[in-house]
Amino acid sequence: QKEVEQNSGPLSVPEGAIASLNCTYSDRGSQSFFWYRQYSGKSPELIMSIYSNGDKEDGRFTAQLNKASQYVSLLIRDSQPSDSATYLCAVSGGDNFNKFYFGSGTKLNVKP
Amino acid sequence: DAGVIQSPRHEVTEMGQEVTLRCKPISGHDYLFWYRQTMMRGLELLIYFNNNVPIDDSGMPEDRFSAKMPNASFSTLKIQPSEPRDSAVYFCASSLSPGARSEFFGPGTRLTVL
Repeated sequence: QKEVEQNSGPLSVPEGAIASLNCTYSDRGSQSFFWYRQYSGKSPELIMSIYSNGDKEDGRFTAQLNKASQYVSLLIRDSQPSDSATYLCAVSGGDNFNKFYFGSGTKLNVKP
Repeated sequence: DAGVIQSPRHEVTEMGQEVTLRCKPISGHDYLFWYRQTMMRGLELLIYFNNNVPIDDSGMPEDRFSAKMPNASFSTLKIQPSEPRDSAVYFCASSLSPGARSEFFGPGTRLTVL
């Protein structure tokens, strides 16, 4: 069983602060890592992907990957109330990169 | 493109009834995925297709579940007979070939089995 672990939260941050979301995974063979944002009652939306160790930045979002520690994180700079959502970490299977295993998600609340 | 289309958006049925969920993927996407989301188990992959062929159905919970993709623009997920524990949101997603991995989810079908 592939495990993807996330703190369920809620994580509360003030507007303008940095939100840090974390994810650990069990399959050392995993090669692809993704962050999805899911608003309440809506479908998941892909916001970041990362494949190599290190940081990847896209606007206010930065994904960080450390394969040795089996750890993925997402930083949201200058958090906005519109960022309030559940963030799902997804990891591809080491034996099948088309299969994604999702964490249970971290609920983020950005307070105005 | 209208994105991934799912129908119905909501389904309420009684235990023992047959339920059919429908999905139209984004045109040109080679991969189609069916997921189930519950509070207890989160988002789980049930089955996925590549070029209309089922590739991995190891996530299908029981023989009561079946999925088909008769052509590139249509897929169904059927539950027969349905049980209360099948209540969940079922998402269909599609994506391009692996080299351009980008998965788009449909709006989901909220299924309630009484």
